[in-house]
Amino acid sequence: DIQMTQSPSSLSASVGDRVTITCRASQSISSYLNWYQQKPGKAPKLLIYAASSLQSGVPSRFSGSGSGTDFTLTISSLQREDFATYYCQQSYSPPPTFGQGTKLEIK
Amino acid sequence: QVQLQESGPGLVKPSETLSLTCTVSGDSISSYYWSWIRQPPGKGLEWIGSIYYSGSTNYNPSLKSRVTISVDTSKSQISLKLRSVTAADTAVYYCASSLAVAGSYFDCWGQGTQVTVSS
Repeated sequence: DIQMTQSPSSLSASVGDRVTITCRASQSISSYLNWYQQKPGKAPKLLIYAASSLQSGVPSRFSGSGSGTDFTLTISSLQREDFATYYCQQSYSPPPTFGQGTKLEIK
Repeated sequence: QVQLQESGPGLVKPSETLSLTCTVSGDSISSYYWSWIRQPPGKGLEWIGSIYYSGSTNYNPSLKSRVTISVDTSKSQISLKLRSVTAADTAVYYCASSLAVAGSYFDCWGQGTQVTVSS
């Protein structure tokens, strides 16, 4: 299985901050990398697919980049509703695997 | 927009079989692949397996020996059976849709259903 490692595991930030979360794959996955947001008690929500494509309805302050083994999710200006846990997921090779999550908390 | 609703017992005894159903509405069940994904309390997400409307399945090797996923197109339902459960199978179980097994993404999720394994 392809292992996905996110950093940091947790992050404190303020409204208006620019935040970057990193995801690293244990082998090259081309651009088959997706990002999800999960709030407590809710199902994950797709934010970014294919490394950099914004899912319909997702605010443009979210962006993704990377290819190969290293990827980033950037939130350009944090809003209060962005405080959540974020997961990356590879779809290059079954089984699809997720990172361990990055919990974004209010400073 | 497709909608997914998981249902099933919230409590299962150790060594027994966990059985869940996901009901699809808002779109044809033949339009997507359907996956089961679980999340133990306080932990991350684990893909269990997927099925296409034709009945073609893919399973996570880590669970393959205990899992069966099936589809009932007449009822627009996907089912999950997980045998010989232990406390480690306690989790929120989600069903989710994707356009393919690989090279795709999970764009629609059910609300999830909590399953606790305990005597």
